[in-house]
Amino acid sequence: DADVTQTPRNRITKTGKRIMLECSQTKGHDRMYWYRQDPGLGLRLIYYSFDVKDINKGEISDGYSVSRQAQAKFSLSLESAIPNQTALYFCATRDRGSGSIAGELFFGEGSRLTVL
Amino acid sequence: RKEVEQDPGPFNVPEGATVAFNCTYSNSASQSFFWYRQDCRKEPKLLMSVYSSGNEDGRFTAQLNRASQYISLLIRDSKLSDSATYLCVVNDYNNDMRFGAGTRLTVKP
Repeated sequence: DADVTQTPRNRITKTGKRIMLECSQTKGHDRMYWYRQDPGLGLRLIYYSFDVKDINKGEISDGYSVSRQAQAKFSLSLESAIPNQTALYFCATRDRGSGSIAGELFFGEGSRLTVL
Repeated sequence: RKEVEQDPGPFNVPEGATVAFNCTYSNSASQSFFWYRQDCRKEPKLLMSVYSSGNEDGRFTAQLNRASQYISLLIRDSKLSDSATYLCVVNDYNNDMRFGAGTRLTVKP
């Protein structure tokens, strides 16, 4: 089984619908992240969380919300999906690292979302 | 200006060639630096961390130049299996990880 699991893997929806992408991890890491990937733009950070009660906006949080239900679970919601939210979404986890050196990011397999 | 910039390529090279990628970052307070590899339609995976003194892992060599704020990745003796997109990643001062757009490499027989 994968250490970082995302569901659904693929989803097609219509403009205005509410969508939730879920992420769970078995690595025991405190830190969890949601990124989106678009061609030519690389991965952009949407939200991140360092603990269950900690939520932080990334560079492109508008139109998204998150919930950290437990250490192992971090979900991403699109309250009212729009076509330019069509992208590949990745969840990732990492540990605290050592000193000033950040730990390795471990990614889920991605959730491909298409908004029509 | 993007925080992390890479030449998007594509780089098309023959097997056995040496290829180098560069990446520049804008935040001089950045702490940690990495190269990730991403195969088509797959998740990124860590290739190697980049240390101040430079580091090597088999055919791969990574260098960091803090004064000029750039990172490089050198691949020697390219293999077909090296074909992928290489992502430069910088750990920002507030501890989030910023990605470059990636450099695509295709190694041909």
